[in-house]
Amino acid sequence: AQSVAQPEDQVNVAEGNPLTVKCTYSVSGNPYLFWYVQYPNRGLQFLLKYITGDNLVKGSYGFEAEFNKSQTSFHLKKPSALVSDSALYFCAVRDPAGPGAGSYQLTFGKGTKLSVIP
Amino acid sequence: DGGITQSPKYLFRKEGQNVTLSCEQNLNHDAMYWYRQDPGQGLRLIYYSQIVNDFQKGDIAEGYSVSREKKESFPLTVTSAQKNPTAFYLCASTEGQGWREQYFGPGTRLTVT
Repeated sequence: AQSVAQPEDQVNVAEGNPLTVKCTYSVSGNPYLFWYVQYPNRGLQFLLKYITGDNLVKGSYGFEAEFNKSQTSFHLKKPSALVSDSALYFCAVRDPAGPGAGSYQLTFGKGTKLSVIP
Repeated sequence: DGGITQSPKYLFRKEGQNVTLSCEQNLNHDAMYWYRQDPGQGLRLIYYSQIVNDFQKGDIAEGYSVSREKKESFPLTVTSAQKNPTAFYLCASTEGQGWREQYFGPGTRLTVT
């Protein structure tokens, strides 16, 4: 079965500092990994994904994520945080070889609330 | 929000009433999904549909029902059998390829009293 963990419920960072939101996963094969952002009372917006290839993936709004197969991690990063980055961030995983593969199901983490302090 | 509309944005119902949440997409996506979001619990899958006239239960289907009569529409009914229906409900869709991301609607916040 596929699963994903976001070990931090909340991350606080000062504006202008680098930020990291952590994600670890568990799948039987090679994962497809996704990051989404959610602003209050809104739907989820796609930020970036890792499918294959380069371990460093660049996405929207200056975010990037690094896939680390040995550590089964896919941490979200940004070199310089903005107050407008304050939101809820979700990591998600899909196992393309798993039992839910045919339905393209995603398994989501519980989310990490990012607060960027001015 | 990616060509997916959900209505209404806020919905209030009395306990014991069934209520239907609307989800429409104009992305020509085959697969559609309903999630429930509660604080601190992330997103949990209620039902999904890969093609018209077919749908499958997700992890928390009890007390919910769906239909998929048209490719564009995937309404969710929250029945009176759902023990704790107050939540934020999100609809999503994706193309029929495993490496594609899911697109989400803006959500419906349901409050049952």
